[in-house]
Amino acid sequence: DGGITQSPKYLFRKEGQNVTLSCEQNLNHDAMYWYRQDPGQGLRLIYYSQIVNDFQKGDIAEGYSVSREKKESFPLTVTSAQKNPTAFYLCASSISLAGGSSYNEQFFGPGTRLTVL
Amino acid sequence: AQKITQTQPGMFVQEKEAVTLDCTYDTSDQSYGLFWYKQPSSGEMIFLIYQGSYDEQNATEGRYSLNFQKARKSANLVISASQLGDSAMYFCAMREPLGGSQGNLIFGKGTKLSVKP
Repeated sequence: DGGITQSPKYLFRKEGQNVTLSCEQNLNHDAMYWYRQDPGQGLRLIYYSQIVNDFQKGDIAEGYSVSREKKESFPLTVTSAQKNPTAFYLCASSISLAGGSSYNEQFFGPGTRLTVL
Repeated sequence: AQKITQTQPGMFVQEKEAVTLDCTYDTSDQSYGLFWYKQPSSGEMIFLIYQGSYDEQNATEGRYSLNFQKARKSANLVISASQLGDSAMYFCAMREPLGGSQGNLIFGKGTKLSVKP
């Protein structure tokens, strides 16, 4: 079945550690996204990538880094520079929109819950 | 300024009744898309319904319909015949056209719907 997988489901980080969240999709989508969700809040965009080897900062990129070496994979690293990383992280993908319309359904993974100890 | 406003932090509805979840948006673009997502307690975001700014008819998907009032910039979600499984967070989102942050969705803060038996 096509879809998006994220691992791990739960992640614990000590202060000062970098951690990497995995996101893989087999939907053949060009675009991938990372969102952060805090309790009682909506989603905020961290990074997005429209094509392999290219990515752009979203609204809250500070303290995060990404790579896009393969179409299927878009890992997110939460660095020690991120002062308040405890949150729920969601990865999403969508069809590339080059020359497209405003329709852009994003498909989401199950999420990773990160807790700083 | 907030681009997507969901004024109802929480809503209760009796099983089998209809419920309307409010969403207003702010954009100066003529072409945009509006989305509703459901987030159960498991965390995954589930796409429900889409309305394009040029669509003349309100979108419908099964028990979900979107009450689109363009002049008022509102895109309310109507759920008919509520079921216990409808209890979840509901997010309204808007996609602005290409040229800005391509393909990105801007989310509201969500409404928590609780269906009472």
